[in-house]
Amino acid sequence: DSGVTQTPKHLITATGQRVTLRCSPRSGDLSVYWYQQSLDQGLQFLIQYYNGEERAKGNILERFSAQQFPDLHSELNLSSLELGDSALYFCASSDGAGDNEQFFGPGTRLTVL
Amino acid sequence: DAKTTQPPSMDCAEGRAANLPCNHSTISGNEYVYWYRQIHSQGPQYIIHGLKNNETNEMASLIITEDRKSSTLILPHATLRDTAVYYCIVRVWESGTYKYIFGTGTRLKVLA
Repeated sequence: DSGVTQTPKHLITATGQRVTLRCSPRSGDLSVYWYQQSLDQGLQFLIQYYNGEERAKGNILERFSAQQFPDLHSELNLSSLELGDSALYFCASSDGAGDNEQFFGPGTRLTVL
Repeated sequence: DAKTTQPPSMDCAEGRAANLPCNHSTISGNEYVYWYRQIHSQGPQYIIHGLKNNETNEMASLIITEDRKSSTLILPHATLRDTAVYYCIVRVWESGTYKYIFGTGTRLKVLA
């Protein structure tokens, strides 16, 4: 158990819909990272927040957005969902701004029908 | 754009050293190299990271070439539980922001 929690574990929705994935970092960690793992694209970095501010940004689609709240939990919002958005979405956390070890959560499996 | 290249699969006999290579020829002098592994669809697990010098911890050793264009992860005595997909990752500064670039991973199979 990494100490990072993600909810929900599974999510099934339809094309065009919007969903929110939630992540609670390990106690004391200030950074939260979001990753997408799909069969055809592998693991891809989406975005990182450090103490509420965006710190790093990958190839995150404009339909996706994220934020980190004052209590340091984070949410990833996915809108206008397409079949290709079906994937495992991982959240990770670390105590520093980006050079340190990241601890990954168990992931949320999103299925878009 | 930054890129990491890894062989898709490797086998290793139990008890022997597993040497997993990664090519990251485009990284610059202050960009870190990280290694993580993933067992089935679990969240990836951190192994080790380094910048210029070789690094060792309780899990593995990381050898980075002097020109930093490639690195090798060494599991000194592989066990069956080391069977996993191993990812080489670089953290780069690109287009005004940091990014983590993942390789496609090496599927390591440790054989009894």
